[in-house]
Amino acid sequence: QSALTQPASVSGSPGQSITISCTGTSSDVGNYDLVSWYQQHPGKVPKLMIYEVSKRPSGVSNRFSGSKSGNTASLTISGLQAEDEAHYYCCSYAGSSTGVFGGGTKLTVL
Amino acid sequence: EVQLVESGGGLVQPGRSLRLSCAASGFTFDDYAMHWVRQGPGKGLEWVSGISWSGGSIGYADSVKGRFTISRDNAKNSLYLQMNSLRAEDTALYYCAKDVNTAMDAFDFWGQGTMVTVSS
Repeated sequence: QSALTQPASVSGSPGQSITISCTGTSSDVGNYDLVSWYQQHPGKVPKLMIYEVSKRPSGVSNRFSGSKSGNTASLTISGLQAEDEAHYYCCSYAGSSTGVFGGGTKLTVL
Repeated sequence: EVQLVESGGGLVQPGRSLRLSCAASGFTFDDYAMHWVRQGPGKGLEWVSGISWSGGSIGYADSVKGRFTISRDNAKNSLYLQMNSLRAEDTALYYCAKDVNTAMDAFDFWGQGTMVTVSS
C-alpha cells in the first residue's frame, strides 16, 4: 500500500488547462478502473470531482475530466478559474477491499 | 440531505484506546459501503478502513491493520472505528465517508470529521 505519486504542485493562468498526474502500480491504478479525484480547499471537507476514472458526479463542472493510461491516471481542468485553486488528491482501489490515496497536488491559479 | 456526523474523538495517551462513531442520515445506509479517511495536521488524505454494505468485506491500511477495527450497525445507521494501541502518528482528523457503491469505489459524501490527538 504505497501512496500513489502526484506532483507536489502545478500552476496555470486563468483560462488555461492543466493536468495532474497520479502514478500507481499494476496492483492499483493499472488493475482497476476505480480511480477517483478529490478537491479540498483549505479548512474544508474533500469534494468528489471524478470517480471510476472519468465519471463526473452530478453538479461537478464539465471543465473537470479524468483519464487513465496504464498505471497513470490524470485529472485535467480546462478553462482554469480562480476558485479551482485548491489541493487535489487521487485515490485508487488497491485490491482486497483496500484503497490508497496520492500525496496530493497543490494547484495555484496565477 | 445526506448527513454524516462523527463523534468520539479527543485527547488520548499513547497505547490507549478510542472508539469513533459516525451517525448517518438522508440515504439508505445499508445500500452503500462506508469508510474512514484521516488527515494528519498539515498532511494529505489517508484511507484508513472500509466496510461493504453488508459488512462482509472489510479492508484496512497497513498502518492500522491489527490495531483498528471497523464495524457497522445497519439497524442504527451507524459506522464505528475501534482504535487500540494508539500511537502519536495516529493523530489526525478522522472523516467518515459514504461510498458511491456497495463496495469500495469512491467517496461522495464526507462528514466534518472528529479530531484524535495521541499524546502523553
